[in-house]
Amino acid sequence: GIQVEQSPPDLILQEGANSTLRCNFSDSVNNLQWFHQNPWGQLINLFYIPSGTKQNGRLSATTVATERYSLLYISSSQTTDSGVYFCAASYNYGQNFVFGPGTRLSVLP
Amino acid sequence: GAGVSQSPSNKVTEKGKDVELRCDPISGHTALYWYRQSLGQGLEFLIYFQGNSAPDKSGLPSDRFSAERTGGSVSTLTIQRTQQEDSAVYLCASSSDRRFEKLFFGSGTQLSVL
Repeated sequence: GIQVEQSPPDLILQEGANSTLRCNFSDSVNNLQWFHQNPWGQLINLFYIPSGTKQNGRLSATTVATERYSLLYISSSQTTDSGVYFCAASYNYGQNFVFGPGTRLSVLP
Repeated sequence: GAGVSQSPSNKVTEKGKDVELRCDPISGHTALYWYRQSLGQGLEFLIYFQGNSAPDKSGLPSDRFSAERTGGSVSTLTIQRTQQEDSAVYLCASSSDRRFEKLFFGSGTQLSVL
């Protein structure tokens, strides 16, 4: 099955800094999504991005499917960005999603 | 409903008891997933329902775990003879049957087995 890795495992930033989170996957995927789990445990879907680039406010994501990686960019970080960021991949439509181990982000005021 | 609803939000039980966890997906969503998350860990896949197809049960950790989905909507995850290692947050997610749709999660059920 698909293997999903994320780096770095932990990241501490000062408010206002920028960051890049990486997700590597072992096989071709048709569905790649990024999630933010807030400190209260709720998982919020940030992006559906099997390929290409998308932007939503201070967040953007890029997936290079041929090289099997995806990047999540956070610009001008805020304390509310703290939490764990997961990427999840599905090999094919109709199959379950495999989650990476997550990147724990702490943004300090 | 507006979002994925899970109940109860918290469940404390004694070792050896059976528990049932409920998930009500977003209206019209045909795909439903159960995941488990232990404290400070990632998400572990349990089971996946897609429409009327046979469910993918490949993630269920033992035969004490089972799940059903009635009428293609509400799902119940049952854990029999609970063990302390079953303590975790159980998360449910749903998505539509269209190919390029996002996964939406409920708030989870925190299960504590004493």
